[in-house]
Amino acid sequence: SQTIHQWPATLVQPVGSPLSLECTVEGTSNPNLYWYRQAAGRGLQLLFYSVGIGQISSEVPQNLSASRPQDRQFILSSKKLLLSDSGFYLCAEREGAGELFFGEGSRLTVL
Amino acid sequence: AQSVTQLDSQVPVFEEAPVELRCNYSSSVSVYLFWYVQYPNQGLQLLLKYLSGSTLVKGINGFEAEFNKSQTSFHLRKPSVHISDTAEYFCAVLHFSSGSARQLTFGSGTQLTVLP
Repeated sequence: SQTIHQWPATLVQPVGSPLSLECTVEGTSNPNLYWYRQAAGRGLQLLFYSVGIGQISSEVPQNLSASRPQDRQFILSSKKLLLSDSGFYLCAEREGAGELFFGEGSRLTVL
Repeated sequence: AQSVTQLDSQVPVFEEAPVELRCNYSSSVSVYLFWYVQYPNQGLQLLLKYLSGSTLVKGINGFEAEFNKSQTSFHLRKPSVHISDTAEYFCAVLHFSSGSARQLTFGSGTQLTVLP
């Protein structure tokens, strides 16, 4: 069965500080990976997806970036956090029929 | 434009009562349909999925959903809910026309609260 590790689980950061959220996946090789954000009252927002190492597609222009340095590693970053970056960040892996398998999430609070 | 609509943002229901969470989608092409559940501070977990075949799909935790192509709906039902079913439920649609990297489109979610 698949396992997705997200780290850290909870993070409190001041405005203007950098961010790095890590997602690692166990199981299949060359997975399609996704970053979603849940902000209060806004549902699930697709931020980035990656079909392979070094291949990143951005869905929404914003203060965040993503990288895929290894096959099973997907990183979400920011150089300077904004208050609006607060939210629950979910990493997901695409499965056979197109459904997504999600990690446990990382909750970011920007103060 | 393709979209998923969950008409009810909040559904309160008493324990052991039946519940239906509504989901409608818009699409001019074939779709796959999914329901996810999210417990507080956790990721989303797949409840059930419709790919093809029988329009009545059974999932985990006693939930089922029925695909209705003419009404473009995929409502989620459970005949008798438990306190532990309290969670947010998301409907999602995968459209076939979006190319090799086609993405799931999620509804805005329905918060189910089961009352004692």
